[in-house]
Amino acid sequence: QKEVEQNSGPLSVPEGAIASLNCTYSDRGSQSFFWYRQYSGKSPELIMFIYSNGDKEDGRFTAQLNKASQYVSLLIRDSQPSDSATYLCAVNRGGSQGNLIFGKGTKLSVKP
Amino acid sequence: NAGVTQTPKFQVLKTGQSMTLQCAQDMNHNSMYWYRQDPGMGLRLIYYSASEGTTDKGEVPNGYNVSRLNKREFSLRLESAAPSQTSVYFCASSPNYQSYEQYFGPGTRLTVT
Repeated sequence: QKEVEQNSGPLSVPEGAIASLNCTYSDRGSQSFFWYRQYSGKSPELIMFIYSNGDKEDGRFTAQLNKASQYVSLLIRDSQPSDSATYLCAVNRGGSQGNLIFGKGTKLSVKP
Repeated sequence: NAGVTQTPKFQVLKTGQSMTLQCAQDMNHNSMYWYRQDPGMGLRLIYYSASEGTTDKGEVPNGYNVSRLNKREFSLRLESAAPSQTSVYFCASSPNYQSYEQYFGPGTRLTVT
């Protein structure tokens, strides 16, 4: 079983819509969850992190965590063409602080 | 405040050549990391340094060595480059090893022919 799974996409949404990105993980010991945005040819940029079950909002971004289902998601409201990028989900390796496992990413395309 | 910097940005090596990738951070972070990113494979951890003076292997350490030169600098060395090491290499840092929020440098694109 893959440790962190994401749908590779591409996920295409119209401008102004809500983009929903999903991630599942296998290690029940994981406690910390991250979303990175990576533009083509650039480095990953941290945009959200969440440690507790429930929702965490930051501007147009909302991260949702359900540890019982081992599921974390990222919602982007009012999607803009500038949000077009690959979104990487990362999860800490249980019992190993600081060691992150990355998913392969979901490519998002926001159409004007 | 430059964050995490990496040199060089691009490099082409012949099989068997050696080189060192340099990384420095000015955020006073304690922990530093080296990743490689390959198409279809995602980001994979090569080595990390939880604090100055310590280094540990990550998921894919074979063929690499690292040096934590001081708190700011963490270098990655390829002793005898192989085509399988063609990749984009990212350095990252975090405030400490208990903090999982990692910040990435711009990357080095390495091609081994």
